[in-house]
This record gives sequence, C-alpha cells and structure tokens, in this order.
Amino acid sequence: GQQLNQSPQSMFIQEGEDVSMNCTSSSIFNTWLWYKQEPGEGPVLLIALYKAGELTSNGRLTAQFGITRKDSFLNISASIPSDVGIYFCAGQLRMNTGFQKLVFGTGTRLLVSP
Amino acid sequence: NAGVTQTPKFQVLKTGQSMTLQCAQDMNHNSMYWYRQDPGMGLRLIYYSASEGTTDKGEVPNGYNVSRLNKREFSLRLESAAPSQTSVYFCASSEYGTADQPQHFGDGTRLSIL
Repeated sequence: GQQLNQSPQSMFIQEGEDVSMNCTSSSIFNTWLWYKQEPGEGPVLLIALYKAGELTSNGRLTAQFGITRKDSFLNISASIPSDVGIYFCAGQLRMNTGFQKLVFGTGTRLLVSP
Repeated sequence: NAGVTQTPKFQVLKTGQSMTLQCAQDMNHNSMYWYRQDPGMGLRLIYYSASEGTTDKGEVPNGYNVSRLNKREFSLRLESAAPSQTSVYFCASSEYGTADQPQHFGDGTRLSIL
C-alpha cells in the first residue's frame, strides 16, 4: 500500500536540543497532518496544514507544507523528556464522495535523554 | 470529553474464533474509519464509512467486516481470526464537508491471535 517516506526513522537526542523530521511523497495532498503517538495510546493531532507553503506553529512545534504539496517538515525546539514518542506525518486527500483518504508515514521514533 | 472510544482495549483470541471491536464517537462526526497498525509501519486503512448508512473497503479489508450501526458507532468484525490479524486496531472519525477536516483517533484495541 501507499506510504509516505518519513525520515529519520529514529532519533536519540539530549534534552534542550532541536529536532527536525520530514516527509516526502510522489503524490500531491490537500492537507498535511502531523500526529504524535505515545505508548498505549492512539495518534494525537499536533498540527494540520491546509495550504501549500503554509508555516504553522503550535508552542515549540513548527511545521511547513511544501510548495509542491508533496512534502512537509516538523521541527521541535528545545526538546523536553515528554516529547518522547513516535511522530507520524500523514497526507490527506478529500475524494469527490467526501471520503478523506489518509496516507501515513512510517513514523519517527524520538527519544530524549534528560 | 471522550472523543473516540474503543472497546475492548486488549483481547486474546484463538485461531478461528470471532469477535467484534466496538467504536463510538461523541463529536457528531459523519465519517468513521478502522485502521490497523503493525510494527515498523504506519496505519493502514481497513474499512471506512463516509457517512451513516455507507461503508467501503480500504487498503487491507480481507478477513474483516464492518457495520455502521448509527452515526455514533462503527464496529469491526473478525469472522474467523488468523494469526496475521494480530495487530493494534484504531478507530477514527472526522467531519464530512467541503472543508478538509483532520481525523481524530481512539486509543486502540490490542489484539493477539494465537
């Protein structure tokens, strides 16, 4: 099945460092989403991007929707231990029927050392 | 503020047994989805319901059936469980309309098939 190319697969950083991860696709999407998943829980929406070139922040998180609509990045500044988890990008495409097809990246596992 | 609620949270089955995974949302969303998540992979769509009264196959529907019981509830049934169906299952919901709306996820059902 179709999946987005997400990198890096994993990161192990020191508390206070900045983090950057990105997703690329051969397909164009209407919306890019970034989710975080913690152990034993479902993905939680962090940021949604609706327009090509859009740059959006949510606290220490910043994400951008690529101009070509085929890529996106997520930055986390000044990481803290509670940032630990798996981060997923997802491209969303709304079909004519109203169905919103969501294609996920393979995830970036983030570990933060205090 | 429940959002999307899944039951049960954990289940162990023997090969050949059947069971139904339940999902309910309280956000008045029209569209609902079932995904499975396997190690090292993003979420893959099993079935979806764009609106009450409709269901359609996703990326990996074989071995599953679904029922959209009403606007709030969307169940996933395994008629004859197989070890390959050992996975974490997530239900999600979203708005239906002209604007792109992100999907919101439950906390998952962890299913093991022996």
